[in-house]
Amino acid sequence: AQKITQTQPGMFVQEKEAVTLDCTYDTSDPSYGLFWYKQPSSGEMIFLIYQGSYDQQNATEGRYSLNFQKARKSANLVISASQLGDSAMYFCAMREGSSNTGKLIFGQGTTLQVKP
Amino acid sequence: DSGVTQTPKHLITATGQRVTLRCSPRSGDLSVYWYQQSLDQGLQFLIQYYNGEERAKGNILERFSAQQFPDLHSELNLSSLELGDSALYFCASSVSRDGDYGYTFGSGTRLTVV
Repeated sequence: AQKITQTQPGMFVQEKEAVTLDCTYDTSDPSYGLFWYKQPSSGEMIFLIYQGSYDQQNATEGRYSLNFQKARKSANLVISASQLGDSAMYFCAMREGSSNTGKLIFGQGTTLQVKP
Repeated sequence: DSGVTQTPKHLITATGQRVTLRCSPRSGDLSVYWYQQSLDQGLQFLIQYYNGEERAKGNILERFSAQQFPDLHSELNLSSLELGDSALYFCASSVSRDGDYGYTFGSGTRLTVV
């Protein structure tokens, strides 16, 4: 069964440093997509980055990059040069390509706190 | 403004009552998804509609029902409410039925059952 695991309930990082948020996934579908979302204390879900299972290169979006290791079934989010505004809950999510639906399965989330 | 509108933003109601949450998808999006976010269950997929038809069902209770109307807005009906139904309910939309081009989330409806 498809599953997303985020093993870090909470993380601290010093402002301006880089931080890696872990995500492992489990699926037997060869076609899938992996997403990272940010949820600040205000509650909205903000899309950060996407990686398709057939993408040859790791995805990058500004200060966000995704360390995609297919054999290990991991899709870790790397945030470079952390800012105070990065303090939020971060969710990893997966969509299976062959399910013919767009439903997302989410991990439990990681709370990131950036220290000044 | 993400383009997905959810109303109301907050709702407080008593146990046993029934409420309706409303979602207007981003213009041009045909799929609507409902998710429930609670402290104990995390973010759970409830149901997906695509162009008026139910497309996928997740862990949605029998007390809950949803529909998508011809103008593509969707409503999630929650009945016989229990304390455990208190949660943040998100609606998301996508252009396609399988989310190929990404998703847009609304800001959620926070439901408190007292």
